Amino acid sequence: DAGITQSPRHKVTETGTPVTLRCHQTENHRYMYWYRQDPGHGLRLIHYSYGVKDTDKGEVSDGYSVSRSKTEDFLLTLESATSSQTSVYFCAISQFSGVAGAGELFFGEGSRLTVL
Amino acid sequence: KNEVEQSPQNLTAQEGEFITINCSYSVGISALHWLQQHPGGGIVSLFMLSSGKKKHGRLIATINIQEKHSSLHITASHPRDSAVYICAVASGSRLTFGEGTQLTVNP
Repeated sequence: DAGITQSPRHKVTETGTPVTLRCHQTENHRYMYWYRQDPGHGLRLIHYSYGVKDTDKGEVSDGYSVSRSKTEDFLLTLESATSSQTSVYFCAISQFSGVAGAGELFFGEGSRLTVL
Repeated sequence: KNEVEQSPQNLTAQEGEFITINCSYSVGISALHWLQQHPGGGIVSLFMLSSGKKKHGRLIATINIQEKHSSLHITASHPRDSAVYICAVASGSRLTFGEGTQLTVNP
């Protein structure tokens, strides 16, 4: 199994508080992704990274920011959490092959966030 | 219209039946992935393909680049195949996911 871990796995927080989710990989893969999964919507891309300090927005990026200061870590931050950000968050990594997603995908186990 | 459309959304089958799940997309892609998500949430990659056909055990994935269409077939289905099957397409630096097909295989 690919070495990819997410933390925390479960978090309950209050509206207006900051939250940071961490994705850590030991595979040295270039591409990393954050997405959220909600009933009726499937998986939606929040942000992705194609290298250290290289990130870009996905389709539901409002209210989220990311950082990648090291190859192995991709952080997702909710500056001021809202109830609409209650969701399950998944990190994924893709093997470097010159093009994102052109290598096998590996997923973290998910982080369940509840914003009260 | 979503860039990635899966059909059907829900599928119920009897054990042993041949199953087909379809994925259509509207953008140029470099690769297409089929993923499996079991209850409890873990997501596993089944196939990654950019042309032709791949087979792994009872699972077969095909793709037609010209028609922008892929299918996932399960032969001799089993209750343990019950899961959500997700199609994802890679285009440039981005991945876009279909909404998934919920498959239930009854004994």
